[in-house]
Amino acid sequence: DVKVTQSSRYLVKRTGEKVFLECVQDMDHENMFWYRQDPGLGLRLIYFSYDVKMKEKGDIPEGYSVSREKKERFSLILESASTNQTSMYLCASSIDRGQKANVLTFGAGSRLTVL
Amino acid sequence: GQSLEQPSEVTAVEGAIVQINCTYQTSGFYGLSWYQQHDGGAPTFLSYNALDGLEETGRFSSFLSRSDSYGYLLLQELQMKDSASYFCAVRAPTDSWGKFQFGAGTQVVVTP
Repeated sequence: DVKVTQSSRYLVKRTGEKVFLECVQDMDHENMFWYRQDPGLGLRLIYFSYDVKMKEKGDIPEGYSVSREKKERFSLILESASTNQTSMYLCASSIDRGQKANVLTFGAGSRLTVL
Repeated sequence: GQSLEQPSEVTAVEGAIVQINCTYQTSGFYGLSWYQQHDGGAPTFLSYNALDGLEETGRFSSFLSRSDSYGYLLLQELQMKDSASYFCAVRAPTDSWGKFQFGAGTQVVVTP
């Protein structure tokens, strides 16, 4: 069964801390995505990656960076966490071609609170 | 770019039919997808329309009309477990890869 695993379900961090959110998929998918979800705003794309070491900015990349050193792992980094980054973070993956390329498989999410 | 609009909330009774509309403004896209998300859960894929017309999957159907910039998700024979948020999404071409854009979501509340 297709699976996307996010390392932390809940995190509480302090303003200014560096935060790492890890995501691993076991489906050999080429594409991986990081979204944040806030009430009334839906899912907003932060970054996506279409291959190892490749990345592209989404709609709200400011304050975030990403790393993809291996195909199965996509990390989201908050260099200096701020309170406005308190949110639910969702990782997703998809294959690269064919009809299934339009299907995103999501992880369970990481709820980050920045104090 | 693209902008997707959907109603914020819909309430209906068990056994009823609910239609969630999604209108969009986009310069080009591959197709329209729908996702379901229960409270505290991950979004899960429901359906995808690459072409105009109706796609049926059990009690759920999805429709797309590119000429009208409009699509909908139809939930039939509503059950309590259908209470969830539903998101429409499009994937648009970029230079290297298409990225998905989501609507703000429609909260469906099913009452006994």
